[in-house]
Amino acid sequence: NAGVTQTPKFQVLKTGQSMTLQCAQDMNHNSMYWYRQDPGMGLRLIYYSASEGTTDKGEVPNGYNVSRLNKREFSLRLESAAPSQTSVYFCASSEFGDRPNEKLFFGSGTQLSVL
Amino acid sequence: GDSVTQMEGPVTLSEEAFLTINCTYTATGYPSLFWYVQYPGEGLQLLLKATKADDKGSNKGFEATYRKETTSFHLEKGSVQVSDSAVYFCALSDRGSGGYQKVTFGTGTKLQVIP
Repeated sequence: NAGVTQTPKFQVLKTGQSMTLQCAQDMNHNSMYWYRQDPGMGLRLIYYSASEGTTDKGEVPNGYNVSRLNKREFSLRLESAAPSQTSVYFCASSEFGDRPNEKLFFGSGTQLSVL
Repeated sequence: GDSVTQMEGPVTLSEEAFLTINCTYTATGYPSLFWYVQYPGEGLQLLLKATKADDKGSNKGFEATYRKETTSFHLEKGSVQVSDSAVYFCALSDRGSGGYQKVTFGTGTKLQVIP
């Protein structure tokens, strides 16, 4: 059982380049999330998808776009990367997404450096 | 808005020492509380949770009690092992404005256990 799979694990970009981070889950979960993790700031929500076909902004959406391709896949796109987007990115999923007591399942992360 | 404050690290302990990691929260509603653990190179995984006041979550020898009167959810373990070395995140989960599960994370506390 793979759980939540993210690709790539590492990426280096130059300022202005674009890229897409891929995420897929095999648990038939309704909700999926993208977080970024920065030192001293914990995890901050970028975008979430409560269910297939819907996406909404989180706490720090600027500079990002997302696509919920189907129930399994949720991608994060950086159209024009900036050094401030250097971070570790985590994809997560939850079964229902509307119940405060649900646990989140996380991928292993993508370490992105923007030079 | 919701917030989580946890003690800064890193925390360095000898094997078999007692562990406490403090966590306090601010929330407008009645959130669920979580501890997540992140081992090196991996994503976060749920360690334990508590969904209402006075509940005690426990797992792998770790415990935390939901204290509404002090708005706290401190993590404790009686005897730590080298394998417990990781980063620990306190988090609260409530219903966001869009009806989704909104999770707010603390900044994380790095624990290092030395033999």
